[in-house]
Amino acid sequence: ETGVTQTPRHLVMGMTNKKSLKCEQHLGHNAMYWYKQSAKKPLELMFVYSLEERVENNSVPSRFSPECPNSSHLFLHLHTLQPEDSALYLCASSQEDQGTYGYTFGSGTRLTVV
Amino acid sequence: GQNIDQPTEMTATEGAIVQINCTYQTSGFNGLFWYQQHAGEAPTFLSYNVLDGLEEKGRFSSFLSRSKGYSYLLLKELQMKDSASYLCAALGDSNYQLIWGAGTKLIIKP
Repeated sequence: ETGVTQTPRHLVMGMTNKKSLKCEQHLGHNAMYWYKQSAKKPLELMFVYSLEERVENNSVPSRFSPECPNSSHLFLHLHTLQPEDSALYLCASSQEDQGTYGYTFGSGTRLTVV
Repeated sequence: GQNIDQPTEMTATEGAIVQINCTYQTSGFNGLFWYQQHAGEAPTFLSYNVLDGLEEKGRFSSFLSRSKGYSYLLLKELQMKDSASYLCAALGDSNYQLIWGAGTKLIIKP
């Protein structure tokens, strides 16, 4: 496989559930990102990992918990979410010293909280 | 503050030319990206500009004016498959400070 792979593609969960989103990149990149994409709004950066260490957390609620066990894998653990958390969650990767090549995105997980 | 403005939606005709504008305000500037996103799919990289001027890549060109905080994406010989959202993003002081616009939905009509 190549590129950035996200699973699952679609997820419906209740407000009391716990679930995890998975992201895997096969590009040898050293930085990974979680973004939230809501309709007609700009992409919102949630978390950044560089060399497996979290370097930025844009004041995301604690009901979202990231995990980066190695440079190829990124998880987003979800618990007690709210309906307003329904959105497309995108994972991306980049090579830090080649930032001008931009990010490679996964296809996203469409999350619906009921 | 930091922000990016681009039109919400544009309509164009197959075979024609369309220009999607983007204005930005950032603290620090290290380049301007354009991405294409088809419905239900990942955003894909189209172009990167850091110096003033026009960069041409096939049917797509991207222009940057740093003094005006302005960029545009020019699409020529439009095809139906160009129907997508086009996202403008400015890179700030670090690799992580990518400020995004809300995207422009481009509708191509036959």
